[in-house]
Amino acid sequence: EAGVVQSPRYKIIEKKQPVAFWCNPISGHNTLYWYRQNLGQGPELLIRYENEEAVDDSQLPKDRFSAERLKGVDSTLKIQPAELGDSAVYLCASSMGTSGTEAPQYFGPGTRLLVL
Amino acid sequence: GESVGLHLPTLSVQEGDNSIINCAYSNSASDYFIWYKQESGKGPQFIIDIRSNMDKRQGQRVTVLLNKTVKHLSLQIAATQPGDSAVYFCAENYGGSQGNLIFGKGTKLSVKP
Repeated sequence: EAGVVQSPRYKIIEKKQPVAFWCNPISGHNTLYWYRQNLGQGPELLIRYENEEAVDDSQLPKDRFSAERLKGVDSTLKIQPAELGDSAVYLCASSMGTSGTEAPQYFGPGTRLLVL
Repeated sequence: GESVGLHLPTLSVQEGDNSIINCAYSNSASDYFIWYKQESGKGPQFIIDIRSNMDKRQGQRVTVLLNKTVKHLSLQIAATQPGDSAVYFCAENYGGSQGNLIFGKGTKLSVKP
């Protein structure tokens, strides 16, 4: 079974430039998550989707970050404009669970972003 | 605050020995816990999970113990191998928003040959 797919794996941009990350979750997983992981830290949730609906985006910096999951499958996360402090690994995860259920989340390999 | 913490940031063990990685949590409403393994340059890999109605769960070479009385979680790895070297995270399902995981900072496990 294919795992969570993310692209690109690495991205280097200059500050103030836009950047976008793409995620394809495990087939059949209706819940999709975007996390940010800083060096030496655990992942921190940015946004959670159940199908097409963003059910928790409370931690998403909405002034510069946006996300979408138009058909309830693939998702994109965008930063515009990027700042130096956005340098991190952006992880996508998916699970079969929804609110009220417990199911493990499976992570992709991440996109390593460096903002210069 | 209510967050998942760790007792040890690093752990070094001899190949073949058993490893125990500890985790403390403070959110009494958390009812689901997961251990992840993260190798350098990779995303977190699911190892094992446990629900709050259990106190022990076993997998292949791994055992998770949950002590709700003292809010403590541990991961035991039997016969540790060099391939087990990684950072291990515990994560709790935050009771106030089911489905969201709160991760600790991780414990780095190093296995000496």
